[in-house]
Amino acid sequence: AQSVTQLDSHVSVSEGTPVLLRCNYSSSYSPSLFWYVQHPNKGLQLLLKYTSAATLVKGINGFEAEFKKSETSFHLTKPSAHMSDAAEYFCVVSVNTGGFKTIFGAGTRLFVKA
Amino acid sequence: DVKVTQSSRYLVKRTGEKVFLECVQDMDHENMFWYRQDPGLGLRLIYFSYDVKMKEKGDIPEGYSVSREKKERFSLILESASTNQTSMYLCASRPPGGEVNEQYFGPGTRLTVT
Repeated sequence: AQSVTQLDSHVSVSEGTPVLLRCNYSSSYSPSLFWYVQHPNKGLQLLLKYTSAATLVKGINGFEAEFKKSETSFHLTKPSAHMSDAAEYFCVVSVNTGGFKTIFGAGTRLFVKA
Repeated sequence: DVKVTQSSRYLVKRTGEKVFLECVQDMDHENMFWYRQDPGLGLRLIYFSYDVKMKEKGDIPEGYSVSREKKERFSLILESASTNQTSMYLCASRPPGGEVNEQYFGPGTRLTVT
């Protein structure tokens, strides 16, 4: 069975400090992993994805994530937070089992303080 | 740019009413999805469609139905709206190639059932 756990429901950082949003997954198959961002009253937008190529994935707006198979993790990071990063972030795992299987995490809300 | 549009941003309906939520995508994607988003629960799949006139139940189909008469349009129907269907509804589309591809989301419809 597949599952995804976002370890923090809320994260608060100061502008200019690093961001770490944690995600662990469980999958019996080789997964594809995604991070999406949702700004208030907007749909979800893809930040980055991992699909079995390089384990360090760079996305938009300075975000990156590292796939660590041994730790079953796919944490999202950014060296320096900006006020515009305040949003909700979703970690997503997808597997091809011959049928559709995509599971969204519960989300992490990022607050950025001035 | 892929564009996914939803017919309404905000909708208020009364208990027992029939509700139609429309979604249109302009990228000729075969796959389309309807989710509901509730705080702390992430996104939960209601229904999806792999092609015209094809539909599959997701994780929470009870109380909903769908229609896909044209490739670009995927409709979600609440046959008899209830207060527990008050939620944010998100539509998405995905290009062929399976779960390695990301989904493209509409802006969402916030439905309130009174």
